[in-house]
Amino acid sequence: DSGVTQTPKHLITATGQRVTLRCSPRSGDLSVYWYQQSLDQGLQFLIQYYNGEERAKGNILERFSAQQFPDLHSELNLSSLELGDSALYFCASSVGGRPGNEQFFGPGTRLTVL
Amino acid sequence: DAKTTQPNSMESNEEEPVHLPCNHSTISGTDYIHWYRQLPSQGPEYVIHGLTSNVNNRMASLAIAEDRKSSTLILHRATLRDAAVYYCILRDGVGDYKLSFGAGTTVTVRA
Repeated sequence: DSGVTQTPKHLITATGQRVTLRCSPRSGDLSVYWYQQSLDQGLQFLIQYYNGEERAKGNILERFSAQQFPDLHSELNLSSLELGDSALYFCASSVGGRPGNEQFFGPGTRLTVL
Repeated sequence: DAKTTQPNSMESNEEEPVHLPCNHSTISGTDYIHWYRQLPSQGPEYVIHGLTSNVNNRMASLAIAEDRKSSTLILHRATLRDAAVYYCILRDGVGDYKLSFGAGTTVTVRA
Protein backbone atom coordinates (compact mmCIF):
# COMPACT_ATOMS: atom_id res chain seq x y z
CA ASP A 1 0.00 0.00 0.00
CA SER A 2 1.62 3.22 -1.20
CA GLY A 3 -0.55 5.50 0.92
CA VAL A 4 -2.00 7.18 -2.17
CA THR A 5 -5.71 6.64 -2.65
CA GLN A 6 -7.71 7.04 -5.81
CA THR A 7 -11.44 6.95 -6.34
CA PRO A 8 -13.31 5.48 -8.01
CA LYS A 9 -11.50 2.25 -8.93
CA HIS A 10 -13.59 1.73 -12.03
CA LEU A 11 -15.67 4.11 -14.08
CA ILE A 12 -17.81 3.27 -17.07
CA THR A 13 -19.39 6.09 -19.00
CA ALA A 14 -20.50 7.12 -22.45
CA THR A 15 -18.92 9.30 -25.11
CA GLY A 16 -19.52 12.99 -24.61
CA GLN A 17 -19.84 12.71 -20.86
CA ARG A 18 -17.76 14.34 -18.12
CA VAL A 19 -16.10 12.56 -15.19
CA THR A 20 -13.99 13.50 -12.18
CA LEU A 21 -11.22 11.35 -10.80
CA ARG A 22 -10.05 11.95 -7.28
CA CYS A 23 -6.66 11.47 -5.65
CA SER A 24 -5.55 11.77 -2.04
CA PRO A 25 -1.77 11.96 -1.70
CA ARG A 26 0.27 10.43 1.09
CA SER A 27 0.20 12.39 4.29
CA GLY A 28 2.74 15.19 4.09
CA ASP A 29 3.29 14.99 0.32
CA LEU A 30 2.91 18.35 -1.39
CA SER A 31 3.35 17.28 -4.99
CA VAL A 32 0.74 15.41 -7.03
CA TYR A 33 1.22 13.99 -10.52
CA TRP A 34 -1.33 12.55 -12.94
CA TYR A 35 -0.46 9.89 -15.52
CA GLN A 36 -2.47 8.10 -18.19
CA GLN A 37 -1.74 4.52 -19.23
CA SER A 38 -3.26 3.18 -22.42
CA LEU A 39 -2.37 0.12 -24.45
CA ASP A 40 -1.10 2.07 -27.43
CA GLN A 41 0.58 5.03 -25.69
CA GLY A 42 2.00 3.45 -22.55
CA LEU A 43 2.38 5.53 -19.39
CA GLN A 44 2.24 9.25 -20.11
CA PHE A 45 2.63 12.20 -17.78
CA LEU A 46 -0.32 14.56 -17.81
CA ILE A 47 0.16 17.26 -15.20
CA GLN A 48 1.82 18.07 -11.87
CA TYR A 49 0.70 20.22 -8.96
CA TYR A 50 2.81 21.38 -6.07
CA ASN A 51 1.13 22.78 -2.98
CA GLY A 52 -1.89 23.93 -4.95
CA GLU A 53 -0.07 25.42 -7.92
CA GLU A 54 0.36 23.90 -11.35
CA ARG A 55 4.04 23.01 -11.76
CA ALA A 56 4.34 21.16 -15.06
CA LYS A 57 2.19 20.06 -17.95
CA GLY A 58 2.66 17.10 -20.23
CA ASN A 59 0.50 15.67 -22.98
CA ILE A 60 -2.74 16.75 -21.40
CA LEU A 61 -5.63 17.40 -23.74
CA GLU A 62 -7.55 20.69 -23.55
CA ARG A 63 -10.64 18.65 -22.63
CA PHE A 64 -8.85 17.59 -19.46
CA SER A 65 -8.20 19.79 -16.46
CA ALA A 66 -6.96 19.28 -12.94
CA GLN A 67 -6.62 21.10 -9.67
CA GLN A 68 -5.14 20.60 -6.25
CA PHE A 69 -7.14 21.78 -3.27
CA PRO A 70 -5.95 23.36 0.00
CA ASP A 71 -6.12 19.97 1.73
CA LEU A 72 -3.77 18.76 -1.05
CA HIS A 73 -6.12 16.27 -2.62
CA SER A 74 -6.36 16.56 -6.38
CA GLU A 75 -9.03 16.03 -8.99
CA LEU A 76 -8.66 15.30 -12.69
CA ASN A 77 -11.64 16.35 -14.78
CA LEU A 78 -12.18 14.74 -18.16
CA SER A 79 -14.87 16.18 -20.41
CA SER A 80 -16.37 15.48 -23.84
CA LEU A 81 -15.11 11.96 -23.45
CA GLU A 82 -14.07 9.96 -26.48
CA LEU A 83 -13.51 6.24 -26.92
CA GLY A 84 -9.77 6.87 -26.99
CA ASP A 85 -9.84 8.27 -23.47
CA SER A 86 -10.41 4.78 -22.13
CA ALA A 87 -7.31 4.09 -20.03
CA LEU A 88 -5.90 3.65 -16.58
CA TYR A 89 -5.34 6.95 -14.81
CA PHE A 90 -2.74 7.00 -12.07
CA CYS A 91 -2.08 9.60 -9.48
CA ALA A 92 1.30 9.81 -7.76
CA SER A 93 2.58 11.95 -4.93
CA SER A 94 5.96 12.95 -3.58
CA VAL A 95 7.23 15.00 -0.70
CA GLY A 96 8.38 17.81 -2.96
CA GLY A 97 9.16 18.42 -6.55
CA ARG A 98 12.84 17.53 -6.33
CA PRO A 99 14.37 15.11 -8.86
CA GLY A 100 15.53 12.72 -6.18
CA ASN A 101 12.12 12.43 -4.55
CA GLU A 102 10.50 9.13 -5.31
CA GLN A 103 6.93 9.16 -6.49
CA PHE A 104 4.36 6.95 -4.82
CA PHE A 105 1.62 5.75 -7.14
CA GLY A 106 -1.97 5.02 -6.33
CA PRO A 107 -3.81 1.92 -7.56
CA GLY A 108 -5.32 3.81 -10.48
CA THR A 109 -8.78 4.48 -11.85
CA ARG A 110 -9.81 2.41 -14.84
CA LEU A 111 -11.96 4.50 -17.16
CA THR A 112 -14.00 2.84 -19.85
CA VAL A 113 -15.77 5.04 -22.39
CA LEU A 114 -18.47 3.27 -24.38
CA ASP B 1 13.67 14.36 -22.61
CA ALA B 2 16.79 12.25 -22.82
CA LYS B 3 15.96 8.79 -24.11
CA THR B 4 16.65 5.39 -22.60
CA THR B 5 16.91 2.05 -24.37
CA GLN B 6 16.04 -1.22 -22.66
CA PRO B 7 15.57 -4.78 -23.89
CA ASN B 8 11.93 -5.67 -24.41
CA SER B 9 12.03 -8.72 -22.19
CA MET B 10 14.23 -10.86 -19.95
CA GLU B 11 13.74 -14.20 -18.27
CA SER B 12 15.24 -15.40 -15.05
CA ASN B 13 15.02 -18.36 -12.70
CA GLU B 14 13.82 -17.93 -9.17
CA GLU B 15 16.56 -17.14 -6.65
CA GLU B 16 19.03 -16.19 -9.38
CA PRO B 17 20.30 -12.66 -9.96
CA VAL B 18 18.81 -10.52 -12.70
CA HIS B 19 20.79 -7.83 -14.48
CA LEU B 20 18.67 -5.31 -16.35
CA PRO B 21 20.62 -3.04 -18.69
CA CYS B 22 19.69 0.47 -19.71
CA ASN B 23 21.42 2.66 -22.26
CA HIS B 24 21.15 6.43 -22.02
CA SER B 25 23.86 7.80 -24.25
CA THR B 26 22.38 11.33 -24.38
CA ILE B 27 22.19 11.75 -20.61
CA SER B 28 22.95 15.23 -19.35
CA GLY B 29 24.96 16.10 -16.29
CA THR B 30 21.85 16.99 -14.30
CA ASP B 31 19.81 13.88 -15.14
CA TYR B 32 19.07 11.41 -12.37
CA ILE B 33 18.66 7.73 -13.29
CA HIS B 34 15.49 6.30 -11.80
CA TRP B 35 14.08 2.79 -11.91
CA TYR B 36 10.45 1.98 -11.36
CA ARG B 37 8.59 -1.26 -11.80
CA GLN B 38 4.98 -2.09 -12.43
CA LEU B 39 3.57 -5.37 -11.21
CA PRO B 40 0.51 -6.73 -13.01
CA SER B 41 -2.64 -4.74 -12.29
CA GLN B 42 -0.84 -2.27 -10.03
CA GLY B 43 0.55 1.24 -10.23
CA PRO B 44 4.27 1.77 -10.77
CA GLU B 45 6.51 1.34 -7.77
CA TYR B 46 9.81 3.10 -7.07
CA VAL B 47 12.83 0.79 -7.07
CA ILE B 48 15.98 2.89 -6.87
CA HIS B 49 17.69 5.97 -8.23
CA GLY B 50 21.17 7.41 -8.58
CA LEU B 51 23.15 10.23 -10.10
CA THR B 52 26.79 9.18 -10.45
CA SER B 53 27.67 6.57 -7.83
CA ASN B 54 26.43 3.03 -7.47
CA VAL B 55 23.50 2.68 -5.09
CA ASN B 56 22.09 -0.13 -2.99
CA ASN B 57 18.80 -0.46 -1.17
CA ARG B 58 16.69 -3.28 0.18
CA MET B 59 15.14 -3.96 -3.21
CA ALA B 60 18.03 -3.75 -5.64
CA SER B 61 21.39 -2.32 -6.63
CA LEU B 62 22.07 0.24 -9.32
CA ALA B 63 25.40 0.17 -11.11
CA ILE B 64 26.17 3.31 -13.12
CA ALA B 65 28.87 3.35 -15.78
CA GLU B 66 31.68 5.80 -15.27
CA ASP B 67 30.63 7.85 -18.31
CA ARG B 68 26.97 7.58 -17.16
CA LYS B 69 25.88 6.50 -20.62
CA SER B 70 24.53 3.22 -19.30
CA SER B 71 23.37 1.65 -16.07
CA THR B 72 22.32 -1.76 -14.78
CA LEU B 73 19.64 -2.61 -12.28
CA ILE B 74 20.53 -5.71 -10.30
CA LEU B 75 17.97 -7.83 -8.51
CA HIS B 76 20.12 -10.04 -6.35
CA ARG B 77 17.78 -13.00 -5.93
CA ALA B 78 14.71 -12.95 -8.11
CA THR B 79 11.43 -14.09 -6.64
CA LEU B 80 8.14 -14.70 -8.39
CA ARG B 81 6.99 -11.38 -7.00
CA ASP B 82 9.67 -9.62 -9.03
CA ALA B 83 7.89 -10.44 -12.28
CA ALA B 84 7.01 -7.00 -13.60
CA VAL B 85 7.76 -4.36 -16.20
CA TYR B 86 10.89 -2.44 -15.20
CA TYR B 87 11.31 1.12 -16.39
CA CYS B 88 14.61 2.99 -16.60
CA ILE B 89 13.88 6.73 -16.54
CA LEU B 90 16.02 9.83 -16.72
CA ARG B 91 14.69 12.57 -14.53
CA ASP B 92 15.79 16.13 -15.15
CA GLY B 93 17.48 17.65 -12.15
CA VAL B 94 16.75 21.25 -13.06
CA GLY B 95 13.50 21.23 -14.96
CA ASP B 96 10.18 19.74 -14.04
CA TYR B 97 10.31 16.42 -12.30
CA LYS B 98 7.89 14.34 -14.23
CA LEU B 99 8.64 10.70 -15.02
CA SER B 100 8.84 9.89 -18.73
CA PHE B 101 8.14 6.19 -19.08
CA GLY B 102 9.32 4.19 -22.07
CA ALA B 103 8.27 0.66 -22.96
CA GLY B 104 10.38 -0.89 -20.21
CA THR B 105 11.66 -4.45 -19.84
CA THR B 106 9.21 -7.21 -19.05
CA VAL B 107 10.84 -9.56 -16.56
CA THR B 108 9.56 -13.12 -16.29
CA VAL B 109 10.68 -15.26 -13.36
CA ARG B 110 10.54 -19.01 -13.69
CA ALA B 111 9.90 -21.11 -10.60
